[in-house]
Amino acid sequence: GQQVMQIPQYQHVQEGEDFTTYCNSSTTLSNIQWYKQRPGGHPVFLIQLVKSGEVKKQKRLTFQFGEAKKNSSLHITATQTTDVGTYFCAGTGDSNYQLIWGAGTKLIIKP
Amino acid sequence: GAGVSQSPSNKVTEKGKDVELRCDPISGHTALYWYRQSLGQGLEFLIYFQGNSAPDKSGLPSDRFSAERTGGSVSTLTIQRTQQEDSAVYLCASSLEAGMGNQPQHFGDGTRLSIL
Repeated sequence: GQQVMQIPQYQHVQEGEDFTTYCNSSTTLSNIQWYKQRPGGHPVFLIQLVKSGEVKKQKRLTFQFGEAKKNSSLHITATQTTDVGTYFCAGTGDSNYQLIWGAGTKLIIKP
Repeated sequence: GAGVSQSPSNKVTEKGKDVELRCDPISGHTALYWYRQSLGQGLEFLIYFQGNSAPDKSGLPSDRFSAERTGGSVSTLTIQRTQQEDSAVYLCASSLEAGMGNQPQHFGDGTRLSIL
């Protein structure tokens, strides 16, 4: 079946360093969504990308959707303690109703 | 406005007992999803409702799991004869509609289920 692979599983950064997580799908996606889950919380929708090659920004967060619509990335510039959490990508595949979720990347700020 | 509401927030029960988890979606949201999340893991899709019907039950782990939705609103997830491996956080999400390029999913706080 369709899968979305997300890497890395964990990323430890010093506060102020950048963070990137990558998602790759085995098949073309019609769109991709990104969610953030704070420790002890539930996933919260961040953004949806639909167009090939699309780039969207939210303050220090930059989201990209690949030209082939098979990969996506989230880049955070100059991380802050409020960025701590797990970032999930989720893509819409053939079924058009079910999101296929990546396993998430946990952002950890080194003390 | 009110978000997705799940109850109970925590449930501790003995192995072999039945449990019922409840989800009250955002008003007007026709699509409803159940997920399971084990500690430190990603989201495992269980079942999806469009209105009262469940077109996809493929994620239910076994026949001990069932779900229903009535009136296009509240949904219950029932686990019969619980096993220790059922321990997890059960998350419910709703969206405006499914099958239309996917609307964002809005999650409840989840039910943390612990099987002793």
